[in-house]
Amino acid sequence: SYELTQPLSVSVALGQTARITCGGNNIGSKNVHWYQQKPGQAPVLVIYRDSNRPSGIPERFSGSNSGNTATLTISRAQAGDEADYYCQVWDSSTAVFGGGTKLTVL
Amino acid sequence: QVQLVQSGAEVKKPGASVKVSCKASGYTFTGYYMHWVRQAPGQGLEWMGRINPNSGGTNYAQKFQGRVTMTRDTSISTAYMELSRLRSDDTAVYYCARDVMVGATRGFDYWGQGTLVTVSS
Repeated sequence: SYELTQPLSVSVALGQTARITCGGNNIGSKNVHWYQQKPGQAPVLVIYRDSNRPSGIPERFSGSNSGNTATLTISRAQAGDEADYYCQVWDSSTAVFGGGTKLTVL
Repeated sequence: QVQLVQSGAEVKKPGASVKVSCKASGYTFTGYYMHWVRQAPGQGLEWMGRINPNSGGTNYAQKFQGRVTMTRDTSISTAYMELSRLRSDDTAVYYCARDVMVGATRGFDYWGQGTLVTVSS
């Protein structure tokens, strides 16, 4: 089965740029979605199909996908961005999630 | 506005079944897949399967084949997920979430609030 690998944690200084990676075999050939989840809340879609932002998501959130790595980039990180982030793809009619990355804003 | 409202928390004994509902509003219910995703305490997200509300057709994750049943009632725009033969490791928050049926996937753009299912003797 297809696997997605994310770092357990990423730290970023307030106002700096955070990058969260999602590794998978030839993931560049798939559509990658990213979700933000704060404690006690349902996930929120922040990027769909690699680099598209849903309505209401700040421009500070961007995404890219190539080769074996997809990346979620959060510019000018804010305290409110502190959350768990999950990548997700479809493989053989099955939705696959990465293990999640905890973003800490210092 | 789009809303997915789930049924309340459940406590079940091992071996029992649980049925969680997800009532959709603010959009055409039959125009979007409804998916079910669960999250065990302190763990990540796990996809369980999806239902096509228009046809009733389902796709289940292999892990849940034989234990999960997804249904819908289009007259009340509600999807259901029933999990049988519950075990303690089924304790989790269960979410419904929608995705488009036509065109390329746009991700799970709306989620229910989650339903906590606790399995304990």
